Amino acid sequence: GAGVSQTPSNKVTEKGKYVELRCDPISGHTALYWYRQSLGQGPEFLIYFQGTGAADDSGLPNDRFFAVRPEGSVSTLKIQRTERGDSAVYLCASSLTGQEYNEQFFGPGTRLTVL
Amino acid sequence: KQEVTQIPAALSVPEGENLVLNCSFTDSAIYNLQWFRQDPGKGLTSLLLIQSSQREQTSGRLNASLDKSSGRSTLYIAASQPGDSATYLCAVKETNSKLTFGKGITLSVRP
Repeated sequence: GAGVSQTPSNKVTEKGKYVELRCDPISGHTALYWYRQSLGQGPEFLIYFQGTGAADDSGLPNDRFFAVRPEGSVSTLKIQRTERGDSAVYLCASSLTGQEYNEQFFGPGTRLTVL
Repeated sequence: KQEVTQIPAALSVPEGENLVLNCSFTDSAIYNLQWFRQDPGKGLTSLLLIQSSQREQTSGRLNASLDKSSGRSTLYIAASQPGDSATYLCAVKETNSKLTFGKGITLSVRP
């Protein structure tokens, strides 16, 4: 079956603009995760959804970042008033459940560039 | 706070060599450890997942071991090939949610 998909693959925006990044998890996966990867670094956790609710949003850097998953499937990461420091690859992952033994499967990422 | 370290940051080996990639973590209270491969400009491909109760996992030419008490994992690649060139990341899972990643080791296998 299909893996995790993310759109767009690339997004270029100007400082101060609003952007939305979309993630389609593997069908039937109840857990969904967002990570951010800066150049030369490993991915850093942003937020975790179990179903429709954000079970852990401790990784969101500030209140400009927000994510939703209204129907427990597709998720949207929203960034307001973008800054140059927000430039990174945003990765989405899903797992069958949030149980600790479940493997996370990653999408190809969205490369965000803020000019 | 959990910290995951992968040293060295880069490694270059001739084709055919067996090699070991190291990963260390500071807090041994983990649920599992995953090794990923990342090609330039691409997402992460899961290679091996080792549960905290396991000592090792094998897939083809890859073997990963876990020593939870000492906070170490190794990824062994047998008979390396140029197609193995990529960045290899390890990540530990401490709670039901996030993975904590190392910075990765960029491997280059020379023909």
